Amino acid sequence: GAVVSQHPSRVICKSGTSVKIECRSLDFQATTMFWYRQFPKQSLMLMATSNEGSKATYEQGVEKDKFLINHASLTLSTLTVTSAHPEDSSFYICSAKGVTDTQYFGPGTRLTVL
Amino acid sequence: KNEVEQSPQNLTAQEGEFITINCSYSVGISALHWLQQHPGGGIVSLFMLSSGKKKHGRLIATINIQEKHSSLHITASHPRDSAVYICAVNTGKLIFGQGTTLQVKP
Repeated sequence: GAVVSQHPSRVICKSGTSVKIECRSLDFQATTMFWYRQFPKQSLMLMATSNEGSKATYEQGVEKDKFLINHASLTLSTLTVTSAHPEDSSFYICSAKGVTDTQYFGPGTRLTVL
Repeated sequence: KNEVEQSPQNLTAQEGEFITINCSYSVGISALHWLQQHPGGGIVSLFMLSSGKKKHGRLIATINIQEKHSSLHITASHPRDSAVYICAVNTGKLIFGQGTTLQVKP
């Protein structure tokens, strides 16, 4: 099946710094990429949807200036958590969709903000 | 009330048992996904269904669109099946259930 990678898999940073997470579709062109956040013992929550070459659409309650999303190519989307704080510590997962409705999920990135 | 409800929330089984996880939803959907999440966090897509039934190895997924209900069955369960199983419905975006934590004991 299709493969989606995320980098890094784990990151620990100090409060106030910015962290960039990459999501790549390795063997297909992803016209749409999704970013999710998952807190412990909770389900995934959609943060934003990004289409290649256009601005991301953010879900209600998600600050677009804090969670910057760039989808500059058909195989790469990035999520930058700006001025990270401990409450941003979470598991961030991306998924990618090509021409079909099937979403392929990345392995996730665990962010810990000290 | 959540738009997607799974039951049970937690399930413990003995190796070899037949397992059923249920998912009910209250919104119009184009498809329903069953996902598997292992303790490390990575998610694997097991099935995408819009009607009927699909089978892959020991896993079977069914959906009844009229009743807005889907089931995931695992036959001859094995400890390596231990994971969180998540139902997600596609309404244009994915809405996720809370997940069912399955533990299969040897």
